[in-house]
Amino acid sequence: NAGVTQTPKFQVLKTGQSMTLQCAQDMNHEYMSWYRQDPGMGLRLIHYSVGAGITDQGEVPNGYNVSRSTTEDFPLRLLSAAPSQTSVYFCASSYAAMDTQYFGPGTRLTVL
Amino acid sequence: AQSVTQLGSHVSVSEGALVLLRCNYSSSVPPYLFWYVQYPNQGLQLLLKYTTGATLVKGINGFEAEFKKSETSFHLTKPSAHMSDAAEYFCAVTGYRGTASKLTFGTGTRLQVTL
Repeated sequence: NAGVTQTPKFQVLKTGQSMTLQCAQDMNHEYMSWYRQDPGMGLRLIHYSVGAGITDQGEVPNGYNVSRSTTEDFPLRLLSAAPSQTSVYFCASSYAAMDTQYFGPGTRLTVL
Repeated sequence: AQSVTQLGSHVSVSEGALVLLRCNYSSSVPPYLFWYVQYPNQGLQLLLKYTTGATLVKGINGFEAEFKKSETSFHLTKPSAHMSDAAEYFCAVTGYRGTASKLTFGTGTRLQVTL
């Protein structure tokens, strides 16, 4: 039982490049979410999904896309990276939003 | 809509002293409240949560928190700090209906434990 896994752990991009952050969970959780963590700002919700085929925007969705084709996977796409997207990104999953969320180890992204 | 305010971005205590980390929330519906802990270079893990029922909630590692509706607070305490408690602590809130799809975090409090 691996829990929530994220790849890659580290990534450096140039402005304008695109990439996908991967997130997978093996706990059969319906609810998955993406957060970014910036110093002094806590965790801010980017996008979330309450089940396969259903996604919605969080607090800071601009510049990011998501899709949920399976229960297990919830990738986060950066369409055209900007320096303001330099951050640590966490994926989390739970049975529902009000349940305990299980976090992945994070991806540290730097955009030059 | 909901929000969380954590008073004090940094708290320093001596080993063996009381730990008190403050959290106030606002929510338009009855809240579910959480405390998560983040150790360096790791993801977050749950310390404890309040859903309904008993207002004093006990969590892992000797931490507890009390839900006070009249004060809209959910402060985290531990009677005696240990060096291993040094970490960042996040309070979070969600509603159990309506806005229940979103978990809102506070900005975090970094706890330092000194000898």
